Amino acid sequence: DTGVSQNPRHKITKRGQNVTFRCDPISEHNRLYWYRQTLGQGPEFLTYFQNEAQLEKSRLLSDRFSAERPKGSFSTLEIQRTEQGDSAMYLCASSLAPPEYNSPLHFGNGTRLTVT
Amino acid sequence: AQSVAQPEDQVNVAEGNPLTVKCTYSVSGNPYLFWYVQYPNRGLQFLLKYITGDNLVKGSYGFEAEFNKSQTSFHLKKPSALVSDSALYFCAVRGYRDDKIIFGKGTRLHILP
Repeated sequence: DTGVSQNPRHKITKRGQNVTFRCDPISEHNRLYWYRQTLGQGPEFLTYFQNEAQLEKSRLLSDRFSAERPKGSFSTLEIQRTEQGDSAMYLCASSLAPPEYNSPLHFGNGTRLTVT
Repeated sequence: AQSVAQPEDQVNVAEGNPLTVKCTYSVSGNPYLFWYVQYPNRGLQFLLKYITGDNLVKGSYGFEAEFNKSQTSFHLKKPSALVSDSALYFCAVRGYRDDKIIFGKGTRLHILP
């Protein structure tokens, strides 16, 4: 178990640029989640996948955000035309799927995005 | 939809004293409850989870949590606090057949030497 890996750890970009983050989950986990966390707040759900299927996307999520998990392994989160309000820590997590309803999420260390 | 509340932004405890971090939840059906800890510039680490039928659940680093169905609470506890327990703690809930896990806003635990 090598844990959940996220790259890059830090990303600084100028407003209006596109950015892409990568997440490699724990290999036997078929669920993959993306969360966003701002200072002083708890993680906010963005979207999740089971294998390659995106099962839910937060209604709060702008159309500028898109996520993929093309082969059911790693996932990418892309933000187009970044805004300063997108500055946050982006967390990826993986878990087993139901019926393991109490399977905990295993988090990566996150990607910190700063939009200038 | 499920929700979780952590009423305290910060809890201060002297080293060696017992600690409690509060959490209440709202969910349809059986609750799936979790506690996580976050250290600076790191992701969240799983501490413990509620197991149906167990009102006291034991987890990592000597932490435990007390489940109370009538009060819809899942408070995190530790009999004797360590300075190294200082961190940000999150309570989380997953509803049955709703696979999002929703997190509270977090409680910062400060253990005073």
